[in-house]
Amino acid sequence: EDQVTQSPEALRLQEGESSSLNCSYTVSGLRGLFWYRQDPGKGPEFLFTLYSAGEEKEKERLKATLTKKESFLHITAPKPEDSATYLCAVQETSGSRLTFGEGTQLTVNP
Amino acid sequence: NAGVTQTPKFRILKIGQSMTLQCTQDMNHNYMYWYRQDPGMGLKLIYYSVGAGITDKGEVPNGYNVSRSTTEDFPLRLELAAPSQTSVYFCASNLAGAYEQYFGPGTRLTVT
Repeated sequence: EDQVTQSPEALRLQEGESSSLNCSYTVSGLRGLFWYRQDPGKGPEFLFTLYSAGEEKEKERLKATLTKKESFLHITAPKPEDSATYLCAVQETSGSRLTFGEGTQLTVNP
Repeated sequence: NAGVTQTPKFRILKIGQSMTLQCTQDMNHNYMYWYRQDPGMGLKLIYYSVGAGITDKGEVPNGYNVSRSTTEDFPLRLELAAPSQTSVYFCASNLAGAYEQYFGPGTRLTVT
């Protein structure tokens, strides 16, 4: 059974204070690892897909990396508008279904 | 493109009542999904569909039913609502071969 564990559950940062969110996963065969951002009262918004160990993707202040056991979402010099819950999900090679972690709630204080 | 739309946004049901949550996508996506999200939790898959006329169970299908008669629509039916079905429900879709899923804005359901 696929498992996804995200840490920490919650993270408070000061504006400009860089940090990383972790997503550990167990899957029989990885087709893709996905990062989503979710704002309160809204649906998840797609950020990145990573397909193989060593892959990295960047978007503005966010960079996602992938190893064979975990993924990191690095946030560089965050701003208050980066405050949201960040969700990680895995998809195994045998199907289209996603297994989600419970998310990390990020708060960036001005 | 409206993307994935869901109605209603909010609903309060009494125990034992039934309702249908509507989901429509205008992106011509083959695959569609229903998830529920409980407070502080990730998303759990209820049902999914890989095309019109084809549906399959996810992790938590009990108490729900779906149908897929068109590519665009994927309604979720709750029969005999129970307090355990209080949750936020999200519909999502993607193209076959393109794995990222696109989500609707959600329906917040309370069963009392």
